[in-house]
Amino acid sequence: SSEVTQDPAVSVALGQTVRITCQGDGITTSYATWFQQKPGQAPRLVIYGKNNRPSGIPDRFSGSRSGDTASLTITGTQAEDEADYFCTSRDIDNNRFVFGTGTKVTVL
Amino acid sequence: QVEMVESGGGVVQPGRSLRLSCTASGFAFGTYGMHWVRQPPGKGLEWVASIWYDGSDKSYVESLRGRITISRDNSKSTLFLQMNSLTAGDTALYFCARENLLLGYGAFDIWGQGTAVTVSS
Repeated sequence: SSEVTQDPAVSVALGQTVRITCQGDGITTSYATWFQQKPGQAPRLVIYGKNNRPSGIPDRFSGSRSGDTASLTITGTQAEDEADYFCTSRDIDNNRFVFGTGTKVTVL
Repeated sequence: QVEMVESGGGVVQPGRSLRLSCTASGFAFGTYGMHWVRQPPGKGLEWVASIWYDGSDKSYVESLRGRITISRDNSKSTLFLQMNSLTAGDTALYFCARENLLLGYGAFDIWGQGTAVTVSS
């Protein structure tokens, strides 16, 4: 899993749905995890496993996977969801991780 | 309060070494795998290294292998990253992150605020 690609940027109208994708070989064998990062802040875990949210993450965030592509969907996007989103994939052969290139979500 | 605080960053000349620390509090540090992740200014995240809860296994990003060493002192709830032969490409904000295997692989559920490393002459 040497590379994980994401679209650089996406925009979404307030209250609408946006899907962010993450593609890489490692995703076929290991669920991606998703992180949200706002300017000047550390990343925050938003989705892990098949489709699980840590405590405090709104249920408008959901995850899925199909083949080598993982997706993060925000349903009913709020202004506070404007941030960079990164996925990470694990190489099960050597327990190394690789982060996706990141997607900047702009809420219009 | 669960918290991790990085330290040890700063401005360093090319070719020199630096050791970063990450001190944890509020949880049983010795039962969690730990990771270092870095972020160059204005760029994305890069996974750097990981270490098992007991220090028995370590993994490194291939591009840095041989120049960095991850270690931990569970008696002091502290994680370390030794970086040698630094170059301008190592300039970044360095985060430590806790991996919570109760949630799953890659579930980095607690992050520090980062320590900035600038490599410059």
